[in-house]
Amino acid sequence: DQQVKQNSPSLSVQEGRISILNCDYTNSMFDYFLWYKKYPAEGPTFLISISSIKDKNEDGRFTVFLNKSAKHLSLHIVPSQPGDSAVYFCAASVQGGSEKLVFGKGTKLTVNP
Amino acid sequence: AAGVIQSPRHLIKEKRETATLKCYPIPRHDTVYWYQQGPGQDPQFLISFYEKMQSDKGSIPDRFSAQQFSDYHSELNMSSLELGDSALYFCASSGSGLGLNEQFFGPGTRLTVL
Repeated sequence: DQQVKQNSPSLSVQEGRISILNCDYTNSMFDYFLWYKKYPAEGPTFLISISSIKDKNEDGRFTVFLNKSAKHLSLHIVPSQPGDSAVYFCAASVQGGSEKLVFGKGTKLTVNP
Repeated sequence: AAGVIQSPRHLIKEKRETATLKCYPIPRHDTVYWYQQGPGQDPQFLISFYEKMQSDKGSIPDRFSAQQFSDYHSELNMSSLELGDSALYFCASSGSGLGLNEQFFGPGTRLTVL
């Protein structure tokens, strides 16, 4: 049972345009959400996070939006750059417990020059 | 800034052998997590430690054990290795406190069981 779902295995965008990566979750106990970027043969790199008490968090070119009623979050990257090409994982956790991360299966983003 | 260190980076073992993976968390981080990522899969939580005590356990086989030492480094011990244990093993660390804590991942150990 996949509690965190990233339904788009891949996404291709042009440099300078917006990249929108989507993530859905089923467990209403999740209250903390994170996005990680991963290159092959490397560990996931933390990008941005959002608590369930917020609906938006912004850090430079990266913005995460959370819609709790829809159990949906999205990562916006604008403007997209070729160096952003990587696999992006959405992850969720329940704060106050073990805080283990539950990951989606990832979306491979390709930014074309 | 110091990151999570994992060793070895690559490990090749035969079936039924044992393996030990090591993780050195970011300084002042007191919580360590282990994840397993199979080919084309998402990372799956194995086990975690907080202040040297096991805090949670996921889908970790009984053949695996782990511990966190007084200097907060952690070791994952894997015995009777099977072909299906071939995967990337990530360690992550976080610092406890009143705020929300992101987990920072190491580069991983690629285990290949032949």
